[in-house]
Amino acid sequence: AQSVTQPDIHITVSEGASLELRCNYSYGATPYLFWYVQSPGQGLQLLLKYFSGDTLVQGIKGFEAEFKRSQSSFNLRKPSVHWSDAAEYFCAVGGQAGTALIFGKGTTLSVSS
Amino acid sequence: DAGVIQSPRHEVTEMGQEVTLRCKPISGHDYLFWYRQTMMRGLELLIYFNNNVPIDDSGMPEDRFSAKMPNASFSTLKIQPSEPRDSAVYFCASRNRGYNEQFFGPGTRLTVL
Repeated sequence: AQSVTQPDIHITVSEGASLELRCNYSYGATPYLFWYVQSPGQGLQLLLKYFSGDTLVQGIKGFEAEFKRSQSSFNLRKPSVHWSDAAEYFCAVGGQAGTALIFGKGTTLSVSS
Repeated sequence: DAGVIQSPRHEVTEMGQEVTLRCKPISGHDYLFWYRQTMMRGLELLIYFNNNVPIDDSGMPEDRFSAKMPNASFSTLKIQPSEPRDSAVYFCASRNRGYNEQFFGPGTRLTVL
């Protein structure tokens, strides 16, 4: 079955500390992987995506993610978290153009001062 | 570009009433998706269209829900009759054929009393 698992429902990180949000997927074809961020009351905004090539991808707002095929993972990282990063983060997987995305349940990030 | 436009942003209605949610995709995008987001179930795909034709409606919860896309620039999601358990945020997203990245609208927060 195709699925995305985000094991952490809620994470709290101190401002300035590093962040890693976990994402594992199960997909029968070559995966296209995405991270979206949702601020309260807002829609989802794309942070970064992986289609092929370099397995370390850079995104907006200083985020990066690494694709590890052997672990079926696509973890999101940021070296230094800012208070404005507090939001909900969604990992998603899809296939070639023409398929819908499958989303994880999301991880809520809180940032403490 | 104005992005994906959804209306209304908020809707409060009483049980049994008909509700119509509207979406205008990004110009030139030929895929359109409707999602529902709740605390319990997360982000669920309801239905998606390609070139105005419904491709997969397996996520539509029951016959009370219907969606149409009469042209490339407009889609509706209708609930008739509405029930309190339909209360959720409904998102519309669109995508270009050449990419799997989806662009989300701001959502419609529906409350059924």
